[in-house]
Amino acid sequence: EPEVTQTPSHQVTQMGQEVILRCVPISNHLYFYWYRQILGQKVEFLVSFYNNEISEKSEIFDDQFSVERPDGSNFTLKIRSTKLEDSAMYFCASSENSINQPQHFGDGTRLSIL
Amino acid sequence: GENVGLHLPTLSVQEGDNSIINCAYSNSASDYFIWYKQESGKGPQFIIDIRSNMDKRQGQRVTVLLNKTVKHLSLQIAATQPGDSAVYFCAENTQGGSEKLVFGKGTKLTVNP
Repeated sequence: EPEVTQTPSHQVTQMGQEVILRCVPISNHLYFYWYRQILGQKVEFLVSFYNNEISEKSEIFDDQFSVERPDGSNFTLKIRSTKLEDSAMYFCASSENSINQPQHFGDGTRLSIL
Repeated sequence: GENVGLHLPTLSVQEGDNSIINCAYSNSASDYFIWYKQESGKGPQFIIDIRSNMDKRQGQRVTVLLNKTVKHLSLQIAATQPGDSAVYFCAENTQGGSEKLVFGKGTKLTVNP
């Protein structure tokens, strides 16, 4: 069964550094998403992406964050000038269409900011 | 407002019993709901979904019930197995045209052999 893959599984970064989290969505999917889950808390929406542009973003997704689809298969989340509170699990998801379609998630990248 | 919450943070059942996991939502405009299962160290895994024009949907060993009157969603797992032990999240699509899912806090299901 096709799946969303994310790398790395764990990223440790010094505060203030930039980090790039990588995702390969399911190949025939057109909509891509990033969510995060701080330890012990709910999964929170960050951003959705379609047709090479951001279609929706949350208030969490400020200028520190950016997303990109650099080629036909990868979807990345860049976090600039990381802060301690950016430590969380970051999940990538994809769906065939946008509305009323299940989003399929990867296994996440655990980001630890020191 | 947008608030998807769960009635019980933990649920413990015996193997072979049926499990019922509940979820309350507050946005009456929500029109699409999903149940996810999350095992330790893994991402949310899609189980079943339901649209607001339905009140029941069945899958393999799972049934989702939607009561729009009281804004309540439940997941029933028949003949629960040890492999069903995980955290279960409900998620809602908040309004027509929005792509984001709003997740509940999660219920941890433990199946005792």
